Amino acid sequence: KNQVEQSPQSLIILEGKNCTLQCNYTVSPFSNLRWYKQDTGRGPVSLTIMTFSENTKSNGRYTATLDADTKQSSLHITASQLSDSASYICVVSVTGGGNKLTFGTGTQLKVEL
Amino acid sequence: EAGVVQSPRYKIIEKKQPVAFWCNPISGHNTLYWYLQNLGQGPELLIRYENEEAVDDSQLPKDRFSAERLKGVDSTLKIQPAELGDSAVYLCASSRAGGPLYEQFFGPGTRLTVL
Repeated sequence: KNQVEQSPQSLIILEGKNCTLQCNYTVSPFSNLRWYKQDTGRGPVSLTIMTFSENTKSNGRYTATLDADTKQSSLHITASQLSDSASYICVVSVTGGGNKLTFGTGTQLKVEL
Repeated sequence: EAGVVQSPRYKIIEKKQPVAFWCNPISGHNTLYWYLQNLGQGPELLIRYENEEAVDDSQLPKDRFSAERLKGVDSTLKIQPAELGDSAVYLCASSRAGGPLYEQFFGPGTRLTVL
């Protein structure tokens, strides 16, 4: 069964600190992996996308990594800001699946002063 | 460009009542998705449209849920009758096409509460 597992489930950090979120997946055949940010009361917004051949992708203070061999990904947030408080969801697509996405349950990040 | 529009944003109904959600996708996006998201969970696909054709409705509970996308643009998702367990956020998303490399853009969702 295709699954995406994320850790930690929740995280609290101080503003300005860095953090790393983890994602393990068993989805196959793998097409790509995205990290989405979902603010409370809003729909998810894509931060990064990585295909099989890519092992790192940055978007501002967000850097995602992918190890397709071990089926692991991470999202590193640098110099966190209060606006980074949100749920971060790891999402994996399969090839030939008509853009069918398998979502993780997300990591709830709270950035405090 | 305008994003995916959904209405209403919030809906509170009593069980056994009908309810409908509306979605207007991004202009030019042929593929439209309806998802259900329970609290603390990732979204789960209910139905996917390619233009006006429902190409994946395998997860749609057809005894009480129905959807349509007339003219291949706007879409409506209906629940009749609603049950307590239907309380959730209903997300609509759209993408330019149906392949896995096309980003899905999500609307803000409709939060349904069934009393």
